[in-house]
Amino acid sequence: GAVVSQHPSRVICKSGTSVKIECRSLDFQATTMFWYRQFPKQSLMLMATSNEGSKATYEQGVEKDKFLINHASLTLSTLTVTSAHPEDSSFYICSAREDRVRNEQFFGPGTRLTVL
Amino acid sequence: AQSVTQPDIHITVSEGASLELRCNYSYGATPYLFWYVQSPGQGLQLLLKYFSGDTLVQGIKGFEAEFKRSQSSFNLRKPSVHWSDAAEYFCAVGGGSEKLVFGKGTKLTVNP
Repeated sequence: GAVVSQHPSRVICKSGTSVKIECRSLDFQATTMFWYRQFPKQSLMLMATSNEGSKATYEQGVEKDKFLINHASLTLSTLTVTSAHPEDSSFYICSAREDRVRNEQFFGPGTRLTVL
Repeated sequence: AQSVTQPDIHITVSEGASLELRCNYSYGATPYLFWYVQSPGQGLQLLLKYFSGDTLVQGIKGFEAEFKRSQSSFNLRKPSVHWSDAAEYFCAVGGGSEKLVFGKGTKLTVNP
């Protein structure tokens, strides 16, 4: 149980376009989901906390208008990178917290974004 | 503010040797502590976690970790490393209603 999926696993886009990444909890409900960014050979940095039915909470330094987060249901959160540029190229990982097990996050497999 | 320090950026061990990966944390209350493993290009897999109770916790793949409050440490150990253990290991603190904070990671290389 507690499986989290991400789609797509890999995406290449042109500079200036927008890219949407989906994060789904497959077998549990997740009131809260998290979005992380990981640069090569570095740790995970939390970008934002996504709560179902409300606005996401962004970490300091993360542009809200650049990284749009929508958590429309208890099993789906989306991250849209708007007007992507090469510096947005990174590995994006989501996680979901099961409501009944509030102390633990379950991680998706990640999405590799490359902006040309 | 909570923080995690993994002092070793890269560790190399021989297959069959024992392993200890260090993790020190800073947290204002009783922490929730986690160890994750990440293979290249993959997401994170939870190895083990500590919330409360017995300070020696057992995880998957033969890993264990010991919570030492006096030393603010949560070191990961394995008695005999396998080649498949080569990966990046992350220690994290937090959980519950708070966000997870990760250490910078330790890359493990296993020599045959």
